[in-house]
Amino acid sequence: EVKLVESGGGLVQPGRSLKLSCAASGFNFNDYWMGWVRQAPGKGLEWIGEINKDSSTINYTPSLKDKFTISRDNAQNTLYLQMSKLGSEDTAIYYCARETTEGIAFDYWGQGVMVTVSS
Amino acid sequence: DIQMTQSPASLSASLGETVTIECRASEDIYNGLAWYQQKPGKSPQLLIYNANSLHTGVPSRFSGSGSGTQYSLKINSLQSEDVASYFCQQYYNYPYTFGAGTKLELK
Repeated sequence: EVKLVESGGGLVQPGRSLKLSCAASGFNFNDYWMGWVRQAPGKGLEWIGEINKDSSTINYTPSLKDKFTISRDNAQNTLYLQMSKLGSEDTAIYYCARETTEGIAFDYWGQGVMVTVSS
Repeated sequence: DIQMTQSPASLSASLGETVTIECRASEDIYNGLAWYQQKPGKSPQLLIYNANSLHTGVPSRFSGSGSGTQYSLKINSLQSEDVASYFCQQYYNYPYTFGAGTKLELK
């Protein structure tokens, strides 16, 4: 069974940094592109970015490129999202997701982790 | 960025009814489109990819169609478990972008 479990969320002060993790199991993590999507409370989905199988290609939405860094550790079957200079606009549920074998849509999603940016 | 305009924003329908949700892209996305269903308090789930391919395990009452800039998701014979929000996503060009969503409720 494919499982994606996010962790590392919580309450963080404006301007601070936070690193989210996503533990993957039930599939060969090395064989899939992975990505992050967020959803502000009561709002729609926002694509953050994706990383290819060997970390040689990482794509971001331009507005987050200077604040967020996606990485992965294939030995640990873990995906990461390093977030810096956080503001209230970054308050959201953060989902990690696996892309299909063709590397397009997201076919499996984690349960999400809440990040609240507030003083 | 490619803008995805989804309509309607909300929709109320009766059990057994056929429902259609539209998604318009700001430029041709060459069928690089997916549809997701998100039930309240849950993660999104993939329904359709490549505009018209049904994802594994998705009931056949869901179907996708369209081309160019215009796409649609159709739900035949609406069931109570279909109450959810639905989002389209284009993956033809970076950055990938989502529509604002359609909230489907029962009448």
